[in-house]
Amino acid sequence: EDKVVQSPLSLVVHEGDTVTLNCSYEVTNFRSLLWYKQEKKAPTFLFMLTSSGIEKKSGRLSSILDKKELFSILNITATQTGDSAVYLCAVPNNAGNMLTFGGGTRLMVKP
Amino acid sequence: DAGITQSPRHKVTETGTPVTLRCHQTENHRYMYWYRQDPGHGLRLIHYSYGVKDTDKGEVSDGYSVSRSKTEDFLLTLESATSSQTSVYFCAITRDPQETQYFGPGTRLLVL
Repeated sequence: EDKVVQSPLSLVVHEGDTVTLNCSYEVTNFRSLLWYKQEKKAPTFLFMLTSSGIEKKSGRLSSILDKKELFSILNITATQTGDSAVYLCAVPNNAGNMLTFGGGTRLMVKP
Repeated sequence: DAGITQSPRHKVTETGTPVTLRCHQTENHRYMYWYRQDPGHGLRLIHYSYGVKDTDKGEVSDGYSVSRSKTEDFLLTLESATSSQTSVYFCAITRDPQETQYFGPGTRLLVL
């Protein structure tokens, strides 16, 4: 059975801090790993990773994948209160017809 | 933003009553999904569709049924609502299930 585990469950930091969120996965046939941000509404897409060691970057957010150790990290530098959200990672299942989501990491950034 | 709407956005109902939630898309995407989201459980897949009249069960399908008679609409029905089905329900669509899914705004359902 496919499995996605995120850590930590929750995190409280102050503005300006750098945070690292973790996502480990077990899937029979790896295709990709996706990161989403969810504020008080629907999840929105951040990154899709398919290759090990290649960093994806968008502003202060970046993510990298390690297919050998079966994990991905999401880094946020110089955090702002607007980064407060639940961050979700997901992988397509073996059949490639649905996503398996992790439980999410709840990030709170204090002023 | 992907053109996805959900209706109703909020609903309060009583145990034992039938409830139907609607997901409507204007993107002509083949794949549509229904999730529920509960504290401590993340997003869990209820049912999905890979085409008109083609549906399959997800992780937590008991107590739910779906129908897709048109590409743009995917309906989720709770035949006889129970309090354990109180949740936030999200619809999602994608052109390719191995790529990103785009989520609707969610429906908050309270079963009393």
